[in-house]
Amino acid sequence: NAGVTQTPKFRVLKTGQSMTLLCAQDMNHEYMYWYRQDPGMGLRLIHYSVGEGTTAKGEVPDGYNVSRLKKQNFLLGLESAAPSQTSVYFCASRRTSARETQYFGPGTRLLVL
Amino acid sequence: AQTVTQSQPEMSVQEAETVTLSCTYDTSESDYYLFWYKQPPSRQMILVIRQEAYKQQNATENRFSVNFQKAAKSFSLKISDSQLGDAAMYFCAYRSALMIKAAGNKLTFGGGTRVLVKP
Repeated sequence: NAGVTQTPKFRVLKTGQSMTLLCAQDMNHEYMYWYRQDPGMGLRLIHYSVGEGTTAKGEVPDGYNVSRLKKQNFLLGLESAAPSQTSVYFCASRRTSARETQYFGPGTRLLVL
Repeated sequence: AQTVTQSQPEMSVQEAETVTLSCTYDTSESDYYLFWYKQPPSRQMILVIRQEAYKQQNATENRFSVNFQKAAKSFSLKISDSQLGDAAMYFCAYRSALMIKAAGNKLTFGGGTRVLVKP
């Protein structure tokens, strides 16, 4: 049982390049989330999914796209990376019950030059 | 929209002493959950403690306890007998208890408080 995993752990991009961050969970969770964390700040929600095939915008969605083709995977895409997207990205998942806690992945550090 | 505020950017505590972290939140809802997460240098987000708003009793987990004041919308974390391993960023977070699936039951985080533990 690996929990929530994220790939890659660290990546350097040049401005304008594209990339996809992969989040995988093996707990059969319905809900999945992508957050970003900037220095000295809390986590802010980018996009989320309440089930396979569904996605929705969070607090800071601009410049990102997501897909949830399989229940266990939630992909975050940057079509044209910008320096402002330099951040640490966290994925999380949880069950649908109201009492359930979010489980977080280890984070992906992204540097856009 | 709900907001969570942590007014202390950094707190310092002597090993074995007690430190209290402040958190206030704004909501119009009556039923919700509040959380404290710890983020050590490894960046892993670790759940420390959870409080359910309908419970009057303050949650406790070993050396960690909260003071939940619902009317004041305050949710402070007390770390007793501080240890070197407690040094980390601590985040307060809010989540509605309303099960509106489309809304995703999102967490709203405060800006964090860095805790330094002096040996």
